[in-house]
Amino acid sequence: EAQVTQNPRYLITVTGKKLTVTCSQNMNHEYMSWYRQDPGLGLRQIYYSMNVEVTDKGDVPEGYKVSRKEKRNFPLILESPSPNQTSLYFCASSPRDGPYEQYFGPGTRLTVT
Amino acid sequence: GENVEQHPSTLSVQEGDSAVIKCTYSDSASNYFPWYKQELGKGPQLIIDIRSNVGEKKDQRIAVTLNKTAKHFSLHITETQPEDSAVYFCAAAGGADGLTFGKGTHLIIQP
Repeated sequence: EAQVTQNPRYLITVTGKKLTVTCSQNMNHEYMSWYRQDPGLGLRQIYYSMNVEVTDKGDVPEGYKVSRKEKRNFPLILESPSPNQTSLYFCASSPRDGPYEQYFGPGTRLTVT
Repeated sequence: GENVEQHPSTLSVQEGDSAVIKCTYSDSASNYFPWYKQELGKGPQLIIDIRSNVGEKKDQRIAVTLNKTAKHFSLHITETQPEDSAVYFCAAAGGADGLTFGKGTHLIIQP
């Protein structure tokens, strides 16, 4: 089944403890991206990647890192999480050379205390 | 940067009636306008999209219209059904960087 998977789906952590949210797609898509969703603010892009080893900042990149060493994987790294990064995170991928026709993963709900 | 406004934030319609959600955008360079449906506990799902060289696109009960001059686009759902209840997001993009989303419309279908 063609899909985008994220792990973990739920995570509660403490301020300052490094964490990684994994994202994987099995559709051979080149374009991948990360969004966060907050009540009243909608979805906002954190980072995106046009291809392997090519990443770029979105609208809200502060406090996040990403890497794209393989085509199928695009992990989101929080080196020192803070409470304002409590949010619902979505990974997405696209078969196009940009944010067109994106497929979204099921989401990761992160709580930082 | 791009700014997308979406209205209304909540829309309640009787089953079988039509629903219309409207969005405006600010960047005249934007050329791609998708609509996503998000059900509770799930990720957004693309339901229809339109490019700037097209004024209208239809897929069964769903249609999207685009007015580039006025910088607004709308989602039309006809003959609404209970399974249409969800949050709908519009978005705009002008290039490879990413989508700018509206804040969403909670569509409620009353039986």
